[in-house]
Amino acid sequence: GQNIDQPTEMTATEGAIVQINCTYQTSGFNGLFWYQQHAGEAPTFLSYNVLDGLEEKGRFSSFLSRSKGYSYLLLKELQMKDSASYLCAVSGGDYKLSFGAGTTVTVRA
Amino acid sequence: IAGITQAPTSQILAAGRRMTLRCTQDMRHNAMYWYRQDLGLGLRLIHYSNTAGTTGKGEVPDGYSVSRANTDDFPLTLASAVPSQTSVYFCASSPVGGSGANVLTFGAGSRLTVL
Repeated sequence: GQNIDQPTEMTATEGAIVQINCTYQTSGFNGLFWYQQHAGEAPTFLSYNVLDGLEEKGRFSSFLSRSKGYSYLLLKELQMKDSASYLCAVSGGDYKLSFGAGTTVTVRA
Repeated sequence: IAGITQAPTSQILAAGRRMTLRCTQDMRHNAMYWYRQDLGLGLRLIHYSNTAGTTGKGEVPDGYSVSRANTDDFPLTLASAVPSQTSVYFCASSPVGGSGANVLTFGAGSRLTVL
């Protein structure tokens, strides 16, 4: 089975940086994903890591350490539209995605 | 419109009734999935299909059934709804199943309330 932990809520100021941590314990590992979900909408894909290290994509970066079972999503230059839930998901040995409960990020002016 | 269409958007249902949630995709993806999302629990996989004609059980399959007669459609049926099935249901698809770099595209969701 999978056990995925991430903080429930985070608050940050517009223009700031926020780091959302995710720890996981899985039976097998085939990649870690981050999805963004605005209230009342569908989740949308943000990033994918399968090797250790940092993947950068514009204002968003994602980091993975497989040995530590740890990932983080870094959001830079926060904008009001970044207020959303961020879902950490792990592809396990069966290639099925298991999701954490999500971290709700609130960006304040 | 490219993507995934789910219907209905929202439904209130009496306990014991049968309900089918519809899901259609036009991306020619091989794999399709049904998740339910509940506050504090995140998305949980109900059933999946790696290709037309095959289905599999996810983490929470009890009380639900699916079929995959063709590539595009993946309906989810609740044979006899119970209040614990009140949730938001998301259908998703991906180009292939059984692959590591398996990016899911989600539908807009169906909000189901069972009274």
